[in-house]
Amino acid sequence: DAGVTQSPTHLIKTRGQQVTLRCSPKSGHDTVSWYQQALGQGPQFIFQYYEEEERQRGNFPDRFSGHQFPNYSSELNVNALLLGDSALYLCASSPGPRDYGYTFGSGTRLTVV
Amino acid sequence: AQKVTQAQTEISVVEKEDVTLDCVYETRDTTYYLFWYKQPPSGELVFLIRRNSFDEQNEISGRYSWNFQKSTSSFNFTITASQVVDSAVYFCALSGAAWQFYFGTGTSLTVIP
Repeated sequence: DAGVTQSPTHLIKTRGQQVTLRCSPKSGHDTVSWYQQALGQGPQFIFQYYEEEERQRGNFPDRFSGHQFPNYSSELNVNALLLGDSALYLCASSPGPRDYGYTFGSGTRLTVV
Repeated sequence: AQKVTQAQTEISVVEKEDVTLDCVYETRDTTYYLFWYKQPPSGELVFLIRRNSFDEQNEISGRYSWNFQKSTSSFNFTITASQVVDSAVYFCALSGAAWQFYFGTGTSLTVIP
């Protein structure tokens, strides 16, 4: 049973560019949450998607947006990249929006130069 | 406001020693959940335990044990007879009425053989 799959695993982008990160949830999970983990820090909640809608959002600017597809997979988009966006981006899926049975992926390491 | 503090940034122990990782939290919610996650070098967050605010019973699972004390807002984690495979970053997290995770900054544990 595959867990949460994220792609790509590593990415290097230039300031000002746009990036799209992808996440396939664990089988049976319909809710996807995204977290940003800066080096040496704990993960910070970006947003949660359920039924193809953004249900909750953390303290992140509008440059961060997302999407959920009918098959429950999700994308995280970041526009106008800043050096400070360099981080590990973690995707977590769960069986519902208020279910703590989270499974985390291994993340996408984004480096902005 | 929700906040989790892990004052220990890095800990090194010799194999077979016991080690306790500290976690102090702040919340105004009356109902909340506390978690511990392990993050190995591969990056994914591995779930260890969840506790709700109404259950202050300590728990033991193999070499792991957790001490939850509402009076001091602490949820400490002890590894008995540590092993090299325990080397990782450990995160304490809190979730309240908003159903978002608030992570601490993590404690990096190194077990020396």
